[in-house]
Amino acid sequence: DTGVSQDPRHKITKRGQNVTFRCDPISEHNRLYWYRQTLGQGPEFLTYFQNEAQLEKSRLLSDRFSAERPKGSFSTLEIQRTEQGDSAMYLCASSSLEPGQGTTTAKNIQYFGAGTRLSVL
Amino acid sequence: QKEVEQNSGPLSVPEGAIASLNCTYSDRVSQSFFWYRQYSGKSPELIMSIYSNGDKEDGRFTAQLNKASQYVSLLIRDSQPSDSATYLCAVRWDTGRRALTFGSGTRLQVQP
Repeated sequence: DTGVSQDPRHKITKRGQNVTFRCDPISEHNRLYWYRQTLGQGPEFLTYFQNEAQLEKSRLLSDRFSAERPKGSFSTLEIQRTEQGDSAMYLCASSSLEPGQGTTTAKNIQYFGAGTRLSVL
Repeated sequence: QKEVEQNSGPLSVPEGAIASLNCTYSDRVSQSFFWYRQYSGKSPELIMSIYSNGDKEDGRFTAQLNKASQYVSLLIRDSQPSDSATYLCAVRWDTGRRALTFGSGTRLQVQP
C-alpha cells in the first residue's frame, strides 16, 4: 500500500493519560500535515512539516500537543494529559510538489490517511 | 479570520439527477480550491482541484470557480447512490501557508 498510513486506527484512553499517534506519508512526499476533525465539522489544521522542519503550528496546538518528524520520514503526534475535549479523529496528510512546477505554482495536493480516532473517557 | 462556508444539508437528489454543491469563502487572496468527498467514518478523498476562474470537468464532476464572487461549486452529473457522502470544500489561502482551510461539509443523499 503506497498511501498515507496511520497507526493506531482507534485509541481509547482515560483522561490524563498520554497518547502518541504515528503517520507514515506517501513515500517521497516531503510535506506532512496533521489535522483534527470532530463530528459534523471539516478537518482543522494543527501543524505542518516540510522534511524534518516544523514550519507551521495552529493556535489549536496547545502546549500539551507536540509533533515530530525525525529524518523527514514518518511523523508522531503526542498529546499529553489528555482531556475529553481532545476526542476527535486525527488525520494525517502528505503532499509533494508536482513534477515540473516551481515553488510559487505548486499545486500541493494533499492526500489523507485513514485517521486515528481518539476517545478520551 | 479567513473562513469557508458550506450549507450542511442534507442535499437530497434522485438518482440520475444533477447535484449542485456550493461553497463561499471570505477572502479574495486565495489561490487553490479543492473538493474532497468523505464517507461516514472514512478519511477525505480528493475529487477535484481548481485554480483559475471557469469550469473544470473530470468525468461526472465539474468544478466551477468565480473568484470575483468568491464562490466555488461542484456539480455531480448522473448522481448515483454511491455518491452519497459529505463533500468538503477546502481553500489554500495565497499567504504562503501550506495548510488547507475546510468548510464543515455538505451531506449529499442520492435517493435510488
